[in-house]
Amino acid sequence: QQPVQSPQAVILREGEDAVINCSSSKALYSVHWYRQKHGEAPVFLMILLKGGEQKGHEKISASFNEKKQQSSLYLTASQLSYSGTYFCGTEKTSGAGSYQLTFGKGTKLSVIP
Amino acid sequence: DAGVIQSPRHEVTEMGQEVTLRCKPISGHNSLFWYRQTMMRGLELLIYFNNNVPIDDSGMPEDRFSAKMPNASFSTLKIQPSEPRDSAVYFCASSLNGPPGGVGNQPQHFGDGTRLSIL
Repeated sequence: QQPVQSPQAVILREGEDAVINCSSSKALYSVHWYRQKHGEAPVFLMILLKGGEQKGHEKISASFNEKKQQSSLYLTASQLSYSGTYFCGTEKTSGAGSYQLTFGKGTKLSVIP
Repeated sequence: DAGVIQSPRHEVTEMGQEVTLRCKPISGHNSLFWYRQTMMRGLELLIYFNNNVPIDDSGMPEDRFSAKMPNASFSTLKIQPSEPRDSAVYFCASSLNGPPGGVGNQPQHFGDGTRLSIL
């Protein structure tokens, strides 16, 4: 089942912060975050494996709450280069452990000067 | 190192024609994924291979779609016959994972995609 991302779109001025949420109705093994710029391929940002674990990538960090089956992506002091569509991909808890990701519909982030 | 290579980058063809999309995964990767991306449905997984074996093809929309991975360095996605509703961007991605039963803690690397238009 497809995870739900919120918000669908957000506009920021340079230097502002944003939070993107990803929620699933099913228990999760892991959450992956990707960013896609217009006309390009999705690019990997980070993976979160454990409940409550936070990882960081430059000024982008994320958390994963296993119990709530949700993950949040935090963008601080946003830069113009952060513009793009952010996708979360969830790996469901499964005996098969098939490494399949189900992606949310994405959050379009626009950073303006 | 070369990334995932897809060809063609763009394909425009008429309804009813056969379309073949090609993918070369990153050398050494053992998992390969085909995705379709549209505005309405987002990024959908079509089929997933592990060690050249199809593991799950439940995302393949219908019998007109087929995928093969004859060896570790090449995969094809074929649509026959094509229809206008197949128009989308098709991505191939690869990763290095352990055997089925483990946790997918490795990132997927995407190719640049094939933009397919069926007239």
